[in-house]
Amino acid sequence: EAQVTQNPRYLITVTGKKLTVTCSQNMNHEYMSWYRQDPGLGLRQIYYSMNVEVTDKGDVPEGYKVSRKEKRNFPLILESPSPNQTSLYFCASSPDRVWTEAFFGQGTRLTVV
Amino acid sequence: AQSVTQPDIHITVSEGASLELRCNYSYGATPYLFWYVQSPGQGLQLLLKYFSGDTLVQGIKGFEAEFKRSQSSFNLRKPSVHWSDAAEYFCAVGLNDMRFGAGTRLTVKP
Repeated sequence: EAQVTQNPRYLITVTGKKLTVTCSQNMNHEYMSWYRQDPGLGLRQIYYSMNVEVTDKGDVPEGYKVSRKEKRNFPLILESPSPNQTSLYFCASSPDRVWTEAFFGQGTRLTVV
Repeated sequence: AQSVTQPDIHITVSEGASLELRCNYSYGATPYLFWYVQSPGQGLQLLLKYFSGDTLVQGIKGFEAEFKRSQSSFNLRKPSVHWSDAAEYFCAVGLNDMRFGAGTRLTVKP
């Protein structure tokens, strides 16, 4: 089954403790993206990737890092999480640059206390 | 700057009434356009998309959207709203990446 898998689905952590949210797709897609969703702000893009080793900042990259060492994986790294990074995070992938098809993960609800 | 705007944060309609949700975009070229719906606690579901051709697009669940190039708009419509349509609706554009509007929350009154 074609899918984008995020882990964990839920996470509560403390300020400053490094964490990684994993994202994996099994469709051999080149394009992947991370979003955060906050009430009233919609989904804002954090980072996106156009292929292995090719990543670029989205609208809200501060406090986040990503890597794309393999085509299937696109982890989101929070080196020193802060409470303002409490949010719902979505990973997505697409076979093409105009995202004619987009596949979304189920989301990761992160709480930083 | 490239942007997607949904002017209405929250809309309330009565069940059976018609619905129109607005979306405007600001891009140098005409992007690919999408509407997604998100029910509470759920992920995103694609309602419809527009790439080219006929400017009136039919989607799932009885929704349709009309692309108007002159107004840079892609408004979502439904002739008769059902209580199950209560959700948050997002307009999105695809051009090198996918960007979303802030969303419109729809409440349906009985």
